[in-house]
Amino acid sequence: TQLLEQSPQFLSIQEGENLTVYCNSSSVFSSLQWYRQEPGEGPVLLVTVVTGGEVKKLKRLTFQFGDARKDSSLHITAAQPGDTGLYLCAGGTSGTYKYIFGTGTRLKVLA
Amino acid sequence: GAGVSQSPSNKVTEKGKDVELRCDPISGHTALYWYRQSLGQGLEFLIYFQGNSAPDKSGLPSDRFSAERTGGSVSTLTIQRTQQEDSAVYLCASSSPAGGPEQFFGPGTRLTVL
Repeated sequence: TQLLEQSPQFLSIQEGENLTVYCNSSSVFSSLQWYRQEPGEGPVLLVTVVTGGEVKKLKRLTFQFGDARKDSSLHITAAQPGDTGLYLCAGGTSGTYKYIFGTGTRLKVLA
Repeated sequence: GAGVSQSPSNKVTEKGKDVELRCDPISGHTALYWYRQSLGQGLEFLIYFQGNSAPDKSGLPSDRFSAERTGGSVSTLTIQRTQQEDSAVYLCASSSPAGGPEQFFGPGTRLTVL
C-alpha cells in the first residue's frame, strides 16, 4: 500500500519566518504534486514535479522532488498570513490515474 | 461552467437515510474523481471515472456507497443507509488528459449524519 506521510502535521509561525514541510514515502512516484486548500474550498494545485532532484520555485515557495522520487519538500520563505492553509502532497504513478494524497500539513501564519 | 461545481454544499441527514451528492465537472474533462476528507485531513480516494465507466471502485468504503456518471459529465455519489462515520467532506475533481495531471477540485459537500 502506498502511503505519503507529511510532517509536521500542524505548524503555527509568525509572519516573516521560514518553514519547510516534508512529504515522505517508501514508494517511488513518477510525479509529485503539491496542493493548498483553504477552509470551505477544494485543494488548488501549486506545482507538479516529475524528475528526481527537480527544484521548482513559485515566488516565495520552493518545491523539491527527492533524487529517488520517494520524497518531496516545500519551503516557504518569509511566510505571510495569506500562506495559511492545508498543504497536501499527492503522488502519481505513471500509467495510472490514481493519486495518493498525503496526510496534510495545516499551516497558520500569524500577523 | 468555469469550474467544478458540487451540490448541495451542506447536507445534514439522519442515520439510516439515503443521500445523493452531485458533481458537475469542467466541460470537456473526461476524468472525474471522488474523494472523502475527514476533519481537514488528507484525501481518501473513493472512485475514478473515465468517461462514463469506473475502472476502479476499490476506494468505496462499503457496498452502501455507489456512484454513476452519465453523458460523460455529471456524476452522482449515493450513500445508502447513512452512518455517523460517513460524516465528512466529499470532494469531486475533474481532469483532462490533454491538460496533464492537474486535478481541478470542486468546493465539496459537507455531509453530517446525526
